[in-house]
Amino acid sequence: NAGVTQTPKFQVLKTGQSMTLQCAQDMNHNSMYWYRQDPGMGLRLIYYSASEGTTDKGEVPNGYNVSRLNKREFSLRLESAAPSQTSVYFCASKLRDRNQPQHFGDGTRLSIL
Amino acid sequence: GESVGLHLPTLSVQEGDNSIINCAYSNSASDYFIWYKQESGKGPQFIIDIRSNMDKRQGQRVTVLLNKTVKHLSLQIAATQPGDSAVYFCAENNRGYQKVTFGTGTKLQVIP
Repeated sequence: NAGVTQTPKFQVLKTGQSMTLQCAQDMNHNSMYWYRQDPGMGLRLIYYSASEGTTDKGEVPNGYNVSRLNKREFSLRLESAAPSQTSVYFCASKLRDRNQPQHFGDGTRLSIL
Repeated sequence: GESVGLHLPTLSVQEGDNSIINCAYSNSASDYFIWYKQESGKGPQFIIDIRSNMDKRQGQRVTVLLNKTVKHLSLQIAATQPGDSAVYFCAENNRGYQKVTFGTGTKLQVIP
């Protein structure tokens, strides 16, 4: 089992460019999440999908869109990248039951110049 | 290099000693708590969890203690090893709520 797989691992963009971060999980989890991690700020939730067919905003959704393509895949899109979006992005998944831990991918390191 | 770990509280322990990492949580309605370990360049990895109807839970070399009165959570690592060097996060899950709130983390440095 690969767990949660994120692609790409690294990316450099110019301001105004667009890109989609991909995430796939093979654990048959219902819920999926996108976080960003910045120094001293912990993990901040961008968007989440409680189950296939639903998506909801998290703490910092501005400048991002998401698509829950199917049960396995949840993508994050930056339509017009800004330097403030330079960060490490993590995807996570978990079973729908509340008292279950999230399982994380190894992140996408995104730099916007 | 990896930017996670900058500006974090740091705990330095001698190899073989026990480590105690503390966390204060914010919401008295939280009923599920998780500890994660994050190594440089990796995503957070689940270590141990505890529900609010318990005050202690043990795993392999790790113990989590929960004090709901003062909203405090701790992670104890027995016989700390160099491989335990990482950033440790606590997280809380609010009752009936899909979202999890993460702490900013503590960096554990193990001195050989």
